[in-house]
Amino acid sequence: KAGVTQTPRYLIKTRGQQVTLSCSPISGHRSVSWYQQTPGQGLQFLFEYFSETQRNKGNFPGRFSGRQFSNSRSEMNVSTLELGDSALYLCASSLEFSNIQYFGAGTRLSVL
Amino acid sequence: DQQVKQNSPSLSVQEGRISILNCDYTNSMFDYFLWYKKYPAEGPTFLISISSIKDKNEDGRFTVFLNKSAKHLSLHIVPSQPGDSAVYFCAASNSGAGSYQLTFGKGTKLSVIP
Repeated sequence: KAGVTQTPRYLIKTRGQQVTLSCSPISGHRSVSWYQQTPGQGLQFLFEYFSETQRNKGNFPGRFSGRQFSNSRSEMNVSTLELGDSALYLCASSLEFSNIQYFGAGTRLSVL
Repeated sequence: DQQVKQNSPSLSVQEGRISILNCDYTNSMFDYFLWYKKYPAEGPTFLISISSIKDKNEDGRFTVFLNKSAKHLSLHIVPSQPGDSAVYFCAASNSGAGSYQLTFGKGTKLSVIP
C-alpha cells in the first residue's frame, strides 16, 4: 500500500507570492491533517479535513487555507507569503475514528 | 503555552543499553498518546501509542508507560541500536473533541553510540 504522498518536495518562493501544496493520503484514509514544522516552534497543527469538510483549525492566520476533494486528496494554500512561512509542511492521513496519523515526507518551503 | 513538553532536547545512549525518553503534558483532556520517530528529510513515522485507559503498551523493543496522575509518559527502547538514532516526538490527542488533532512536543534527539 502506498504511503502519504506530498508534492512538491521542495519549493522556493519570494515574499508576497502564493503557494499550493498537495497531499494524497493512504488509500482508504478519509481524514487528512496538515502540520507546520519549524526549528523554533516544532510541529504545529494547521487544519484537519474529513469528507471534504474542515473539522478543526489551528491557530494560524487566514492566509493559510486548505481544502479536500471527494477522493480525499487535499491541498493547502498560503497566500501573501512571508519570510516566517519558511518551514517543512507535513500532511498526515488516518482512518475514520483513529488517533494514529501517518505522515508524508513533507514539502520544504523556502521564502526568500 | 506548551501542552506537551519534552524537556530533554537530546539523549546519548550506548548500544545495547536502555533508552528512556520522557514526556509531560498539562491538558487533562488528552486521552490518547503517541510516539513518532523522525529521520532528517523524512516525515515522522508512527512508533507506538497508548490509550489513557491503559498504563503500559509494548511492541517489540518499544514500551510506552503512562502515569495519568503525574501527567507523564515515557518511551523505553531495549536494547538500543544505532538505527534508533533519530528525533523522537511525543504527541497527544483529545478524541472527545470530535477531532483527532495531534499536539506535539518539541522532540528529543536520541543518539545511540556503537
